[in-house]
Amino acid sequence: DTGVSQDPRHKITKRGQNVTFRCDPISEHNRLYWYRQTLGQGPEFLTYFQNEAQLEKSRLLSDRFSAERPKGSFSTLEIQRTEQGDSAMYLCASSLGVKTEAFFGQGTRLTVV
Amino acid sequence: AQSVTQLGSHVSVSEGALVLLRCNYSSSVPPYLFWYVQYPNQGLQLLLKYTTGATLVKGINGFEAEFKKSETSFHLTKPSAHMSDAAEYFCAVSEGGGSNYKLTFGKGTLLTVNP
Repeated sequence: DTGVSQDPRHKITKRGQNVTFRCDPISEHNRLYWYRQTLGQGPEFLTYFQNEAQLEKSRLLSDRFSAERPKGSFSTLEIQRTEQGDSAMYLCASSLGVKTEAFFGQGTRLTVV
Repeated sequence: AQSVTQLGSHVSVSEGALVLLRCNYSSSVPPYLFWYVQYPNQGLQLLLKYTTGATLVKGINGFEAEFKKSETSFHLTKPSAHMSDAAEYFCAVSEGGGSNYKLTFGKGTLLTVNP
């Protein structure tokens, strides 16, 4: 068990481009979460999945953001038409069922230039 | 809605001194409370958590925290700071008493340890 894995670790993109991040949770963890962390702030919840179902989306997740978790395994987070305000660390976490702790990946740092 | 307030965005201590990082929370349901540590350009690592039961919780690396319902606090302490403790620390509360594991984080406290 290698923990939660995120790819890429760093991404620099030009404004207006689309980007996609991948998260591989700990195997058998049925819950998967995405958070966004901007400089000097704590992580903010974006969305979460239970198996393949996306159960909740934050108001922070504009129409340009979409997340998927096909087959309830890995997840992808896509940002379309990136803006400078999207620059942040995107963190993925997974947990096994309810009332159990979430384990975080190392994050993907996005810089939009 | 839940919220977390971490008092002091930056705390500086000498090596060997007591570490005290403050956290107050607001929750309409019995909270689950957590402290996470984050090293530069890294993800979050769980230090300790309170769910139910004993209000004094011990975690990794010698840290502990006490849940005080009357004060709505969950302060993090360590008797003797080590250089390796220098990092950013986040307090968090989960919604629904843990049934929905969505976490609400504070803004973080940067701990520096001076030799």
